[in-house]
Amino acid sequence: AQKITQTQPGMFVQEKEAVTLDCTYDTSDQSYGLFWYKQPSSGEMIFLIYQGSYDEQNATEGRYSLNFQKARKSANLVISASQLGDSAMYFCAMREALSSGTYKYIFGTGTRLKVLA
Amino acid sequence: EAGVAQSPRYKIIEKRQSVAFWCNPISGHATLYWYQQILGQGPKLLIQFQNNGVVDDSQLPKDRFSAERLKGVDSTLKIQPAKLEDSAVYLCASGGYYGYTFGSGTRLTVV
Repeated sequence: AQKITQTQPGMFVQEKEAVTLDCTYDTSDQSYGLFWYKQPSSGEMIFLIYQGSYDEQNATEGRYSLNFQKARKSANLVISASQLGDSAMYFCAMREALSSGTYKYIFGTGTRLKVLA
Repeated sequence: EAGVAQSPRYKIIEKRQSVAFWCNPISGHATLYWYQQILGQGPKLLIQFQNNGVVDDSQLPKDRFSAERLKGVDSTLKIQPAKLEDSAVYLCASGGYYGYTFGSGTRLTVV
């Protein structure tokens, strides 16, 4: 069965520094997608970044980059130049193909990031 | 494009009462998902619709939860009767291959 593991329940980072949030996954599919979402205290889930299993380059979106190591089955999120507004829960997710031809996403347990001034 | 709309934003009910949540996905999105997120945990899929058909409801507690998407657009999720352990945020999402767009969620408190 597909599985997403986030081993860091909580992380602290100093403002303006970089931080890496860990994510490992398990799948037997050859084609899959990996995602990171941010959930502030308001509760809304915000899409951050996407990496396809066949993408040769690591995905980047502004201050977010995804460190994709396929052989190790890891998809870590790197946030550069942390800001106070980055304090939130961060979820790693993986797309799972269903026999119906649609998709569903499974989520990790999340990492709570706190940015310190 | 307009986002995923959910209502209400907050709801407090007593146990054994019933409650309903509404979701309107992004226009044109055939796939709609309802997730339950208990405090401190990741979202758990309750039910997935493709147009007005159910694709996956394997984790929906069918003795008390029901959901429908009659015209393949908006959807309602109902809990009857509610239990204390149903206290959670209920997230609706629509999308597909490249990820979801989530609504703002409904925070349910059962007392």
